[in-house]
Amino acid sequence: GQQVMQIPQYQHVQEGEDFTTYCNSSTTLSNIQWYKQRPGGHPVFLIQLVKSGEVKKQKRLTFQFGEAKKNSSLHITATQTTDVGTYFCAGEGGGSYIPTFGRGTSLIVHP
Amino acid sequence: DSGVTQTPKHLITATGQRVTLRCSPRSGDLSVYWYQQSLDQGLQFLIQYYNGEERAKGNILERFSAQQFPDLHSELNLSSLELGDSALYFCASSRDGENSPLHFGNGTRLTVT
Repeated sequence: GQQVMQIPQYQHVQEGEDFTTYCNSSTTLSNIQWYKQRPGGHPVFLIQLVKSGEVKKQKRLTFQFGEAKKNSSLHITATQTTDVGTYFCAGEGGGSYIPTFGRGTSLIVHP
Repeated sequence: DSGVTQTPKHLITATGQRVTLRCSPRSGDLSVYWYQQSLDQGLQFLIQYYNGEERAKGNILERFSAQQFPDLHSELNLSSLELGDSALYFCASSRDGENSPLHFGNGTRLTVT
């Protein structure tokens, strides 16, 4: 079945540094979604990318969808302590409309 | 607030027991998903319902079952519980079940002792 790999598993940064998490799928995706889960919380939808090569920005967050629609990345510029949490990508594809989640990247920001 | 309501928030029970988790989707959402989150397995898809009908099944054990009722709320039944079933169980809903973002509830933390 479809697999979505996400790296790194953990990332420690100093406040103000940039952060990037990468997502790779074993199959071509129809779309990819990104979620953020704060410690003790539930996943919260951030964004959905649909088109090949798409780039979307939300303030300090930049999301990219690869040309082959098999990979994606989330980049945070100048991290803040409020960015702490686990970021998940979730891809739909391979004939399935069920989002398959990556294992997530836990971001720890040191003040 | 996602608009998805899950009860109870916490459940502590013994091995061999049966529990029921409840979920009310966001107003207007027709599809409900159940996910299990554990430290070593991440977010695992269990099952999806759309407008009362089962639409997709994931890694759901035979000891687990679910249903979606006419008012669109859903219940996940877990029976013959084992220690390894301890996890966070999330319900999520979406508008139409395809290419739509998921809105998660706060989850039910199940502890099996």
